[in-house]
Amino acid sequence: GQQLNQSPQSMFIQEGEDVSMNCTSSSIFNTWLWYKQDPGEGPVLLIALYKAGELTSNGRLTAQFGITRKDSFLNISASIPSDVGIYFCAGYTGRRALTFGSGTRLQVQP
Amino acid sequence: GAVVSQHPSRVICKSGTSVKIECRSLDFQATTMFWYRQFPKKSLMLMATSNEGSKATYEQGVEKDKFLINHASLTLSTLTVTSAHPEDSSFYICSARPVSSGTRDEQYFGPGTRLTVT
Repeated sequence: GQQLNQSPQSMFIQEGEDVSMNCTSSSIFNTWLWYKQDPGEGPVLLIALYKAGELTSNGRLTAQFGITRKDSFLNISASIPSDVGIYFCAGYTGRRALTFGSGTRLQVQP
Repeated sequence: GAVVSQHPSRVICKSGTSVKIECRSLDFQATTMFWYRQFPKKSLMLMATSNEGSKATYEQGVEKDKFLINHASLTLSTLTVTSAHPEDSSFYICSARPVSSGTRDEQYFGPGTRLTVT
């Protein structure tokens, strides 16, 4: 099946620092989505990207749909303690089912 | 908007019994709902795609007789874990795709159900 390689696997940063994570695939994706999951909760949609090259922001979050349609990145600026959680990239290839990345576990030191 | 609920949030059952988990889209209609399973510190694994009024489509390796899915209305899908065993213990999460999404691929997730089989 389709696979998404997400990196880094985990990050431990100081409050106020910027964070960057990315996903790559060997296949072309039509849509890229970024989710955040808190412990014991379902994923919450952060940003949705629908066009190659698209750059979208949501507050301190910025994500881009790679021009090759095989990658995407998510940046978080000026991190705060509540940014702690697991971030997943996910994408559609044309099927209506999402393929998820392996997740990036973010920890923020106050 | 786009709120998805799951019930129960946690359930503990004995081995051999069946458990039903409900997934509801509260403020939108969803022709398609999805069921995922997530192991500790792992990503979400798609189990099946549930379409309103038709049979669910199961992913390879997922037993359809073990995990019964019913999508009786545009706002409700249920997952029944039959004859549960300890290895079925997991975090089950549903998601729903709004009818109004059109060509946009949006999915909204429920809060998950923690199943523990003793």
